[in-house]
This record gives sequence, C-alpha cells and structure tokens, in this order.
Amino acid sequence: QKEVEQNSGPLSVPEGAIASLNCTYSDRGSQSFFWYRQYSGKSPELIMFIYSNGDKEDGRFTAQLNKASQYVSLLIRDSQPSDSATYLCAVNGKNYGQNFVFGPGTRLSVLP
Amino acid sequence: GAGVSQTPSNKVTEKGKYVELRCDPISGHTALYWYRQSLGQGPEFLIYFQGTGAADDSGLPNDRFFAVRPEGSVSTLKIQRTERGDSAVYLCASSLLGGDTQYFGPGTRLTVL
Repeated sequence: QKEVEQNSGPLSVPEGAIASLNCTYSDRGSQSFFWYRQYSGKSPELIMFIYSNGDKEDGRFTAQLNKASQYVSLLIRDSQPSDSATYLCAVNGKNYGQNFVFGPGTRLSVLP
Repeated sequence: GAGVSQTPSNKVTEKGKYVELRCDPISGHTALYWYRQSLGQGPEFLIYFQGTGAADDSGLPNDRFFAVRPEGSVSTLKIQRTERGDSAVYLCASSLLGGDTQYFGPGTRLTVL
C-alpha cells in the first residue's frame, strides 16, 4: 500500500461546477495535511493546509479532514478553467519526520 | 520578499558526469528540503536540512547523491557519476521551521544523455 494515494484522473468538470479531489494516507500518526496545485511545467504552490478534523474554508476552496478514516479532500467551488492543473496531497506526521510525503497528484480539467 | 530560487533552471549532462544544483531558500527559513519529481508523479523526498545539518537524508537513493548547506542558507545538491535514470526535475523547498508549510522553488530540470 502506498503511503499517500490519490486518483490520478483526469477529473473533468464543467466550468462553474464543484470539483472534489480525494486523498487517503496510511500513517495513522500523520498530523498535518497540505494541498498544492501544480501547473504543467511549474513547481507546486500551496493552496491550503489543515490540521484538525472537520472543514476549513478559504475562498472557493474547502479542505476536509477525517483522521479516523485517514482521508482528506479538497473541494473547489465555482471551478474555473484556470483551476485546471494537477493537485498534490502532502502529508506530514511523526512517522515521516519533518518531511512531506506526496501523493501522485490528481489532474483536474475544467471545461469552459 | 523573494521566494526560493534554484539554479540552473535546466541542466543537460552526459552519463557519468558530475553535476551541482543550487538552492537559495527564503530568507530566515531554517528548514530546507530537496525533492525529485519524475513525470506524472508527485515530488519524492530526498533530504531535509535543519540549519547546517542534514536532519534526515533517508530519501537519498544511493551514495552518488550528496547535499550540503554549510552556512545554513544556500544548499547544493551534488550528483556524481550521473545516470540516465537521474533525469528528473529537482525541487527545493524551504520552511520557517521543520514540519511547517513548505514553499517550493521553480526547480532544476536535469537531463542525463
């Protein structure tokens, strides 16, 4: 079992719809969870992080964390073509030390 | 302030050659990380520095890879006897403290012919 798993996609949604991106992780001791966006040929840029169970909202983005199910998700409301990118889930926790373990990423395509 | 910078942006070398990749972190960030990213995959951890010391080098694939951060700021990733399988984008990230949010540089694309 891989440590951090994501559906590779591509996930296609129409403009204005909600995009839902999912991530599961294997280390129950994980403490911090991050979502990065990566455009083709560019480096990852932080979207948001979440530490506690529940929802965290930032503009059109909502991160959801369920530690019991070892599951973290990212919702993008009112999706725009400019949201088309690969979304990387990263996990940090006591068994990983201070580094992040990244999932393979989900490619999102928002269709105009 | 300035973000993480990496040089060169692209490096083409021949199999068996030695290469150095440089990373200049965000000013004041004590933690520095190196990752390697192959096409279609997420970044893969290589090494983490806290200050001048390598706090975790468990991701280095073999002894051809080495990294230094002598003054606790700029870091250099060194690869000896490069192999075609070393071709990838090498990403550097920094954070204020270990475990904090990491901010990535633009990466160095290494191609080994």
